[in-house]
Amino acid sequence: DIQMTQSPSSLSASVGDRVTITCRASQGINNYLAWIQQKPGRAPKSLIYGASRLHSGVPSRFSGSGSGTDFTLTITNLRAEDFATYYCQQYSAYSWTFGQGTKVEIK
Amino acid sequence: EVQLVESGGGLVQPGGSLRLSCAASGFSFGTSAMHWVRQAPGKGLDFVADIGSEETSINYADSVRGRFTISRDNSKNTLYLQMSSLRVEDTAVYYCVKDFAPYNSGLFDYWGQGTLVTVSS
Repeated sequence: DIQMTQSPSSLSASVGDRVTITCRASQGINNYLAWIQQKPGRAPKSLIYGASRLHSGVPSRFSGSGSGTDFTLTITNLRAEDFATYYCQQYSAYSWTFGQGTKVEIK
Repeated sequence: EVQLVESGGGLVQPGGSLRLSCAASGFSFGTSAMHWVRQAPGKGLDFVADIGSEETSINYADSVRGRFTISRDNSKNTLYLQMSSLRVEDTAVYYCVKDFAPYNSGLFDYWGQGTLVTVSS
């Protein structure tokens, strides 16, 4: 299976900050990379697919980049509702695998 | 509005069985691949199984292959997960997830609220 490694595991930030989360795949996955948000006690929500494409209804302050093995999720102008855990996920090859998550907490 | 509503979770003893259901609405269920993804308490997300729109393609995680069976009834807009020989480590919230495509692309677009399965004696 392809291993997905995120960094950092957690971070503290303030409303209005710019936040960057990285994700590395153990082998090349082209751009078959998604980002998923999960708030405490809530179901996950798909944010980004194809490394950089926003799902319908996702605010433009979320952006993704990368290809091959290295990817980033950037949140600009962080809002209170963005405090959550973020997972990257590869869909290049079975078994679909996720990063361990990055928890974005309020500073 | 896409809705995925899971049911069937609960407490079961090790070695027992349970069947989860996911009622889908708000989209063309019969033309969408579907997945089950689980999350153990306090842990991350793990793929469990998926099924193509016509049931021609079915895949399982190694950890559940031979014990779990995924199926669907397109006439009822419902996805199922039959779980048997349950282990303590199967304890998790199980999410029903819609695929972006009619085939098993692995690109998830909508998630249900999940149903909790607890395996304990």
